[in-house]
Amino acid sequence: DTGVSQDPRHKITKRGQNVTFRCDPISEHNRLYWYRQTLGQGPEFLTYFQNEAQLEKSRLLSDRFSAERPKGSFSTLEIQRTEQGDSAMYLCASSSQREGYGYTFGSGTRLTVV
Amino acid sequence: AQKITQTQPGMFVQEKEAVTLDCTYDTSDPSYGLFWYKQPSSGEMIFLIYQGSYDQQNATEGRYSLNFQKARKSANLVISASQLGDSAMYFCAMREGRGNTGFQKLVFGTGTRLLVSP
Repeated sequence: DTGVSQDPRHKITKRGQNVTFRCDPISEHNRLYWYRQTLGQGPEFLTYFQNEAQLEKSRLLSDRFSAERPKGSFSTLEIQRTEQGDSAMYLCASSSQREGYGYTFGSGTRLTVV
Repeated sequence: AQKITQTQPGMFVQEKEAVTLDCTYDTSDPSYGLFWYKQPSSGEMIFLIYQGSYDQQNATEGRYSLNFQKARKSANLVISASQLGDSAMYFCAMREGRGNTGFQKLVFGTGTRLLVSP
């Protein structure tokens, strides 16, 4: 297991289309996080899974956003009816319950809505 | 109010010199953790170093050290002997919150872009 994988790396979509991103965490990590990073900013928390349960959601996660983690393995983040303001880097991270070692982030999916 | 403040949008350093990247934080929680991440142009966030609020000694990881001044609420990153490959964005982050789910999220600053010149 070489780390957190995200697919695709880049996505260009037209406004109004739906997009779905995938994240494969480190296999022994039971915690999974989605963050969004806009230009010139640090990442902002979107949502958190422990195993298959989505336990925390940010107010940034509007009704157009939905995330799943079936079977507690990979996760998907879907954005419906994309808007130009959704253009950002979407980062996935995973961690174990061991303290002090932060998250392991993936390389992100860069979304451009045109 | 900003939880994490990084006041240096950009820093320049010559190769082999040391550089300090500033970070101040704000929390009323006695238990928290502070992290530094590096983000190269490729986009991934690379974990560098961690300091727990109860740690007595400043954290060190190779060429990285964290100058933790709890009373001042600062957690500056020191990179010794800079290398060209250190050119990247650097983010300070704080782990906060422990709700019913035991969840703690990371709150990031706006970052500092470091450029290392030959």
